[in-house]
Amino acid sequence: DGGITQSPKYLFRKEGQNVTLSCEQNLNHDAMYWYRQDPGQGLRLIYYSQIVNDFQKGDIAEGYSVSREKKESFPLTVTSAQKNPTAFYLCASSRPPGYGYTFGSGTRLTVV
Amino acid sequence: KQEVTQIPAALSVPEGENLVLNCSFTDSAIYNLQWFRQDPGKGLTSLLLIQSSQREQTSGRLNASLDKSSGRSTLYIAASQPGDSATYLCALADIKAAGNKLTFGGGTRVLVKP
Repeated sequence: DGGITQSPKYLFRKEGQNVTLSCEQNLNHDAMYWYRQDPGQGLRLIYYSQIVNDFQKGDIAEGYSVSREKKESFPLTVTSAQKNPTAFYLCASSRPPGYGYTFGSGTRLTVV
Repeated sequence: KQEVTQIPAALSVPEGENLVLNCSFTDSAIYNLQWFRQDPGKGLTSLLLIQSSQREQTSGRLNASLDKSSGRSTLYIAASQPGDSATYLCALADIKAAGNKLTFGGGTRVLVKP
């Protein structure tokens, strides 16, 4: 079955530590996205990539970094510069405009 | 800047009643609208996609309409069941802008009581 796989499901980060969230898709979609979800604030776009080796900042990119070396993969690194990283992170992908989005099951990141 | 609003934020209905969920937006331009369902602690599941040139989509007990002139979309769920309890999100994608990014509403949390 085609879909998006996010791992891990739960992640704990210590102060000052960088962590990487994995996102893999086998849908052959060109575009991939990272969203952050906080209670009471809805979903906000962190980064997106339309093609391999290219990505753009979203609305809240500070403290995050991404790479897109393969079409199937779009990992997100939460750096120590992100002061409030505790949130639910969702990865998504889409075909060219008009065909809608598919989302992964999410990673819950907690700072300990 | 596109703004998407969902009212009410929460809704409770008895089983069997029809659900009507509202989504309003400020810029109708060239947008696709997608309705999602989210269960607690889970990702988003796509329910219906209405392309910019369409006025409605149907899937089983679900029907979604799009009225660009008034900046509104409505999701109807017929004969609600306890399994329909979830948060429902609408989102608009500007298909002419770079990135085809989604702008989300805040969601409506639905509880269907047995």
